[in-house]
Amino acid sequence: RKEVEQDPGPFNVPEGATVAFNCTYSNSASQSFFWYRQDCRKEPKLLMSVYSSGNEDGRFTAQLNRASQYISLLIRDSKLSDSATYLCVVVTTSGTYKYIFGTGTRLKVLA
Amino acid sequence: DGGITQSPKYLFRKEGQNVTLSCEQNLNHDAMYWYRQDPGQGLRLIYYSQIVNDFQKGDIAEGYSVSREKKESFPLTVTSAQKNPTAFYLCASSITPRSGANEQFFGPGTRLTVL
Repeated sequence: RKEVEQDPGPFNVPEGATVAFNCTYSNSASQSFFWYRQDCRKEPKLLMSVYSSGNEDGRFTAQLNRASQYISLLIRDSKLSDSATYLCVVVTTSGTYKYIFGTGTRLKVLA
Repeated sequence: DGGITQSPKYLFRKEGQNVTLSCEQNLNHDAMYWYRQDPGQGLRLIYYSQIVNDFQKGDIAEGYSVSREKKESFPLTVTSAQKNPTAFYLCASSITPRSGANEQFFGPGTRLTVL
């Protein structure tokens, strides 16, 4: 089993739709979680951190479910500009912090 | 503006040649990282450094070398021993965590192609 797994997609959704991605992780001792956005042939950029109580930033909501070992990202009112690949990052520690990246979920928002 | 710069953006190398990728940051971050990204795969850690003059191997260090002589700089050398070096190379940095991991910030990447 991979340490971090994401559905590669693509998720094709119309403008204005709500879309959700999940990311599962295998290490129950994982401590920190992030969502990054990566545009084609560009570097990943931090979208948001994921807090235990869940957090929201405008149209984006991130949640953590420790019992089932997954994090989620919800995008409301999708825009064309949301089209990108979304990477989840799970951080574990065994002396030093280890950042484990998922392979990403590709989102296409259609006009 | 603070940030991370990588150069060059595109790099072509003949088989058997070593090549060095530059990474500079002015964010005053202690930790720096090198990743490689291949199509359909997640980022894989090559090397990382948490302080000057110290660095550790990541998951795929074979065929690569690094140095960390200055806080701002963390160059990566891809040697001829690396069997499949064609990839997108990303440098990142972060504040050294005091309690919990901090987010990483990425440079724009170098796309290396071996001819």
